[in-house]
Amino acid sequence: IAGITQAPTSQILAAGRRMTLRCTQDMRHNAMYWYRQDLGLGLRLIHYSNTAGTTGKGEVPDGYSVSRANTDDFPLTLASAVPSQTSVYFCASSGTSGSTGELFFGEGSRLTVL
Amino acid sequence: GQNIDQPTEMTATEGAIVQINCTYQTSGFNGLFWYQQHAGEAPTFLSYNVLDGLEEKGRFSSFLSRSKGYSYLLLKELQMKDSASYLCAVRDSNYQLIWGAGTKLIIKP
Repeated sequence: IAGITQAPTSQILAAGRRMTLRCTQDMRHNAMYWYRQDLGLGLRLIHYSNTAGTTGKGEVPDGYSVSRANTDDFPLTLASAVPSQTSVYFCASSGTSGSTGELFFGEGSRLTVL
Repeated sequence: GQNIDQPTEMTATEGAIVQINCTYQTSGFNGLFWYQQHAGEAPTFLSYNVLDGLEEKGRFSSFLSRSKGYSYLLLKELQMKDSASYLCAVRDSNYQLIWGAGTKLIIKP
């Protein structure tokens, strides 16, 4: 059972470079999310998608973009990375049918921007 | 603004009981979640409360009082593997999750 797979697990990136974090789920969940987690702060929502073909902005969307071409994939792109985007990024998904809507998380992508 | 408060860090002894509190102020309420996160790992779902009262699941219990904007997570018979951060999150009227910063629980032998 794979659940949610994120790639890469870790990356060091030069400022100004473009970077895409990949996220794939095999649970057929409609909703998917991207969070960043920084020391001392709660998880902060970057972007979300309630269903394939739709996306929305979260709490901290600036500098990030997403797409949701199909149910399974939800990539996050940093168009021009800056040091403040150094963080751990978690992709998550949730179903609705017969569940509480709890989130299932990927293992995270640790990104360092120099 | 929306806010979730929980203690930054707690220490407890193996075999004992610990209660982690969470207070919240949100725009509406559609459920409260507790997640466990071991260092360097992803959060995993522990419990969900939407009605007032206590939900018990093995060694873990979670309590909710909506009128007080308050929840707690109770961990019994603590084991070393319970050393982790515990995240409180509230789903607001827009069905978005508002997260606390987490409580780091340190278990000592």
